[in-house]
Amino acid sequence: KAGVTQTPRYLIKTRGQQVTLSCSPISGHRSVSWYQQTPGQGLQFLFEYFSETQRNKGNFPGRFSGRQFSNSRSEMNVSTLELGDSALYLCASSVDTGELFFGEGSRLTVL
Amino acid sequence: AQSVSQHNHHVILSEAASLELGCNYSYGGTVNLFWYVQYPGQHLQLLLKYFSGDPLVKGIKGFEAEFIKSKFSFNLRKPSVQWSDTAEYFCAVNGPGGYQKVTFGTGTKLQVIP
Repeated sequence: KAGVTQTPRYLIKTRGQQVTLSCSPISGHRSVSWYQQTPGQGLQFLFEYFSETQRNKGNFPGRFSGRQFSNSRSEMNVSTLELGDSALYLCASSVDTGELFFGEGSRLTVL
Repeated sequence: AQSVSQHNHHVILSEAASLELGCNYSYGGTVNLFWYVQYPGQHLQLLLKYFSGDPLVKGIKGFEAEFIKSKFSFNLRKPSVQWSDTAEYFCAVNGPGGYQKVTFGTGTKLQVIP
């Protein structure tokens, strides 16, 4: 069974640009969650989607957005990038039990 | 809002030493509890979980955790660590807000010296 796939794995952007990250969940998983991981802050919850609907949202500014498609694939977008957005962005899928299956992450560097 | 505290940020142990990592959460209602591990260069993976029943749960690689509801704690233990246990360990809790609003602690980096 294929795991959670995130693309791209690494990317470098400059301040003010926008970025789109993609996540393909495990087949049959309808819930997709996104987290931001930074040293010292751990994993910060961004949002969670289930059947194309955002069910939960963390405390991030509106520059962070996401969506989920009918095949459960999800994307997250960050607009007007800031230096502080540099982080590892993790996607996790689930069958809705709370147990999360993580991808390897997309490492974003903002210069 | 839920918060999760991990008391130790960095732990250094010699092989064969015993391990206990602390985790406390704030929400007093029904919760599910997890420990995840991130080995160097690898993605986060589930170590063990507690949903209900026996408060002492066993996970992979000899790890176990005890849920103490009165103390809002879910501490991770291992009697004898190995060099291969070097990793970062995250405690996580879901609730309130539904099963998928999972809150993580800031993590504990464990370094095991051979």
